[in-house]
Amino acid sequence: EVDLEESGGGLVQLGGSLRLSCSSSGFPFSSYWMHWVRQAPGKGLVWVSRINSDGSITSYADSVKGRFTISRDNAKNTLYLEMKTLRAEDTAVYFCGREGSVTEIDYWGRGTLVTVSS
Amino acid sequence: SYVLTQPPSVSVAPGKTATITCGGNNIESKSVEWYQQKPGQAPTLVLYYNNVRPSGVPERISGSHSGNTATLTISRVEAGDEADYYCQVWDSPSDHWVFGGGTKLTVL
Repeated sequence: EVDLEESGGGLVQLGGSLRLSCSSSGFPFSSYWMHWVRQAPGKGLVWVSRINSDGSITSYADSVKGRFTISRDNAKNTLYLEMKTLRAEDTAVYFCGREGSVTEIDYWGRGTLVTVSS
Repeated sequence: SYVLTQPPSVSVAPGKTATITCGGNNIESKSVEWYQQKPGQAPTLVLYYNNVRPSGVPERISGSHSGNTATLTISRVEAGDEADYYCQVWDSPSDHWVFGGGTKLTVL
């Protein structure tokens, strides 16, 4: 059974940094492209970043480009999101997701909450 | 950048048909995916490649797209269908994934 579990969220000060992790199981992690999607409290889903299966190709939303870095360790079946220069508007639940056969995200983690406070 | 527009809310009586639209420029040329999200839960995929249902999704849920509009249709609506629904596409020129703003489906 496919399982994704995020960790690393918490309270961080304005301008601070945080690294999120997404551990996976139940599928060949190294064969799949992966995503990060976030959801601010009471708001909709917003795509953040995507990485290809071997980590050589990445893409970012304009709002995080230059501040966030997506990476993966296929030996550890783990996806990461390094977040720097955090802003209040980065406060959200961050979900990791597996990209399916087309362009859909077919499995999602349960999410981890990041709160950026002044 | 590519924009997807959804109505904020749709209401429907049990047993009736709910229709949720997703507008985007020439969306018929794209693969449209749909997600359901219930309060406090992660999203789940209910349709991909416009109208393909993942295993476990009931046949009551279907999708279509034409021109600038994609549509999610839920027939014989049940109380358990009450949730937020999001459409999503991949915008190839920017290599960005884009979500619509979401539609809250209320079962009366």
